[in-house]
Amino acid sequence: AQSVTQLDSQVPVFEEAPVELRCNYSSSVSVYLFWYVQYPNQGLQLLLKYLSGSTLVKGINGFEAEFNKSQTSFHLRKPSVHISDTAEYFCAVRQDSSASKIIFGSGTRLSIRP
Amino acid sequence: NAGVMQNPRHLVRRRGQEARLRCSPMKGHSHVYWYRQLPEEGLKFMVYLQKENIIDESGMPKERFSAEFPKEGPSILRIQQVVRGDSAAYFCASPDASGNTIYFGEGSWLTVV
Repeated sequence: AQSVTQLDSQVPVFEEAPVELRCNYSSSVSVYLFWYVQYPNQGLQLLLKYLSGSTLVKGINGFEAEFNKSQTSFHLRKPSVHISDTAEYFCAVRQDSSASKIIFGSGTRLSIRP
Repeated sequence: NAGVMQNPRHLVRRRGQEARLRCSPMKGHSHVYWYRQLPEEGLKFMVYLQKENIIDESGMPKERFSAEFPKEGPSILRIQQVVRGDSAAYFCASPDASGNTIYFGEGSWLTVV
């Protein structure tokens, strides 16, 4: 079975500062990894995904994440945040099988201070 | 949401009533997932359906909850005799053409009063 741990429930950051949202996963099989963003009272939007290949993946809105197999991590980063990045961010894992469900972390609330 | 359609967006039910939430997956796709998000919490898997078949229902509560995905029409998540604790956002998701990436709908917010 897979599981996902997001170490920080809340991350306050000043505008234009860099940010890293941490995510660790556990799985005994190969997995796909995802980051989703949820703005207040809205659905989930896919930020980026790692399926295979390059361990550094780039997503929308200037975000990127690096897959580190040895540390079982998939941390999300952005070099300079904007007020509009205020949202809840969810890391997720899925077994690399078309019939598997996606498991979410508990989420990290990113709040941007002016 | 890449074409995953959910309705209603908001639903208010009194305790004891039934709630029906509908989901149409991405066009041409026949698999849907249902997730529940309780207030201030993450998303919890409920059920994974293929048309006319339940693939994985390991996250479904044992009582009052059911899901179906008929040959024709949307998938339906049905909650009978709702209680206050059922108040949550219910999200439907569908895989893309490759089957690797899952896209979510905008959600249905159920409020039980």
